Amino acid sequence: DGGITQSPKYLFRKEGQNVTLSCEQNLNHDAMYWYRQDPGQGLRLIYYSQIVNDFQKGDIAEGYSVSREKKESFPLTVTSAQKNPTAFYLCASQRFVGGTGNTIYFGEGSWLTVV
Amino acid sequence: AQSVTQLDSHVSVSEGTPVLLRCNYSSSYSPSLFWYVQHPNKGLQLLLKYTSAATLVKGINGFEAEFKKSETSFHLTKPSAHMSDAAEYFCVVSEDNAGNMLTFGGGTRLMVKP
Repeated sequence: DGGITQSPKYLFRKEGQNVTLSCEQNLNHDAMYWYRQDPGQGLRLIYYSQIVNDFQKGDIAEGYSVSREKKESFPLTVTSAQKNPTAFYLCASQRFVGGTGNTIYFGEGSWLTVV
Repeated sequence: AQSVTQLDSHVSVSEGTPVLLRCNYSSSYSPSLFWYVQHPNKGLQLLLKYTSAATLVKGINGFEAEFKKSETSFHLTKPSAHMSDAAEYFCVVSEDNAGNMLTFGGGTRLMVKP
């Protein structure tokens, strides 16, 4: 089945550690996105990528980093500089950025907890 | 600038009764509007979208929404609630249906009583 796979589903991070969340899509989409969701709130954009080897900061990029070496993969690293990383992280993809009828597809998310 | 306000953080209905989830938006252009549903610990699923065609939009699972420009509203309705409709619902506005230009409402948690 085509779709977006996020792993791991649950991740625990110790203070001062970097952790990486995986996002893989087999939809042949050019655009990929990372969002953060805090309990009881909507999503906020962390980073996005319109094409391989290119990515842009979103609204809350501080303390995060990404790479886009392959079309199907867009991993997110939560660095020790992110002071409040506990949240639900969602990856999404789109055939390309924008355009009527161009549906955005979401993965099932990853929970990150600081211990 | 664009913004979205979901007027109720929680809505509780009985199974078989109508559902109304309210959403107001502000935008300086003609926006695209969406409703997404999120079940616990899951990703978001698109219910329906308005992109300047018909103002009454029909979506999946019996949901529909009406775009009212004069009221800047995009309320989500369903004639008869099912237990499986219990979830979080998000109203979203976008300038261009671009994932980097989405503004999410705070969400409405729908509870369905047997």
